Amino acid sequence: AQSVTQLGSHVSVSEGALVLLRCNYSSSVPPYLFWYVQYPNQGLQLLLKYTSAATLVKGINGFEAEFKKSETSFHLTKPSAHMSDAAEYFCAVSDKGGRRGGFKTIFGAGTRLFVKA
Amino acid sequence: NAGVTQTPKFQVLKTGQSMTLQCAQDMNHNSMYWYRQDPGMGLRLIYYSASEGTTDKGEVPNGYNVSRLNKREFSLRLESAAPSQTSVYFCASSEWGASGNTIYFGEGSWLTVV
Repeated sequence: AQSVTQLGSHVSVSEGALVLLRCNYSSSVPPYLFWYVQYPNQGLQLLLKYTSAATLVKGINGFEAEFKKSETSFHLTKPSAHMSDAAEYFCAVSDKGGRRGGFKTIFGAGTRLFVKA
Repeated sequence: NAGVTQTPKFQVLKTGQSMTLQCAQDMNHNSMYWYRQDPGMGLRLIYYSASEGTTDKGEVPNGYNVSRLNKREFSLRLESAAPSQTSVYFCASSEWGASGNTIYFGEGSWLTVV
């Protein structure tokens, strides 16, 4: 069964500092991996996704993530944090699920990012 | 440019009451989902529908039923609401493909059961 673990429910950084949000996954098949962001009182929106084309994936708003199979990790980074990056971030893993096909996506518990001025 | 639309946005129920959350998507996606979001628990999959006419249980299906009415609509029903079902509910849709399964979310429905 697939699962996702996000290390750290809260991360605090100063504006301009490196952002590192950690995600480890478990999947019995080559996974599709995602990072989503949720701003207050909104739904989730896609930041980036890994689909095996390249191990380093670039997303929106300057975020990127690197797929490391040996470490079963897909950590999210951004070189320089902005105040507008304050939000909750979710890592997710997806593979085919159910007896009738389709994809089932499982989310981690989320990491709330605080950015200090 | 509606995407995924869910109603109602807010609802307060008494224990034992029933209600249906409605969801519709206009992106012609085959797959639709219902998630619930609770503090510290992330999003947990309640039910999903891989395609029109099919539904499957997710991680936390107990106490819920779903109906895939047509390709556009996927409703979630609470037959006898319990305080443990107080949560934020998200409907979502996606399209299968070789590049994976990007999910598009509605804006959420805040449900309180008292």
